[in-house]
Amino acid sequence: DAGVIQSPRHEVTEMGQEVTLRCKPISGHNSLFWYRQTMMRGLELLIYFNNNVPIDDSGMPEDRFSAKMPNASFSTLKIQPSEPRDSAVYFCASRSTDRSNEKLFFGSGTQLSVL
Amino acid sequence: AQKITQTQPGMFVQEKEAVTLDCTYDTSDQSYGLFWYKQPSSGEMIFLIYQGSYDEQNATEGRYSLNFQKARKSANLVISASQLGDSAMYFCAMREGLSGYSTLTFGKGTMLLVSP
Repeated sequence: DAGVIQSPRHEVTEMGQEVTLRCKPISGHNSLFWYRQTMMRGLELLIYFNNNVPIDDSGMPEDRFSAKMPNASFSTLKIQPSEPRDSAVYFCASRSTDRSNEKLFFGSGTQLSVL
Repeated sequence: AQKITQTQPGMFVQEKEAVTLDCTYDTSDQSYGLFWYKQPSSGEMIFLIYQGSYDEQNATEGRYSLNFQKARKSANLVISASQLGDSAMYFCAMREGLSGYSTLTFGKGTMLLVSP
């Protein structure tokens, strides 16, 4: 299994531009999570999906952020317009919900820099 | 109040020594799970060990063990015989409830440096 695949690995953009981060979860996993990691705030949950349905998006910072999961094998996190304070590492993770001790499998992350 | 507290921003240990990384948690749930992840400088998040709230024995995975003290709400990670490759950030995380709709909340992490 290839694991959770995120793209791009690095993204450098200018303030005001639209940014789209992509994620392919592990096949068969039906929960998908987007986390953001910064030095100041650590790892924060932005949103998670169960069976492609958003369950909790209370961690999404503001309306500039949106996430979709059109099918079981793909999700996007979009920032429009981007701001310098959005600079962070964005992780996607997936999990099967079958077992209570099921761990999250993380992708390699996307390092976003907004200039 | 923070759900996961890691009070040690950084820890130093000599190679081959044991080290304990502290983690305390806050929950009113009876059913919960505790996880430790390692994040090396390359950035990926690597799962290390899991402890369920109903598990009577401390979890162990190779050189990793979890010192689970339920009454004190602590779940410290013990790494025995440290290796240079253990140098990394270590995160404690908690999953409240055991349904498929529960999420992981992470602590701020502890940076571990292993010296030769």
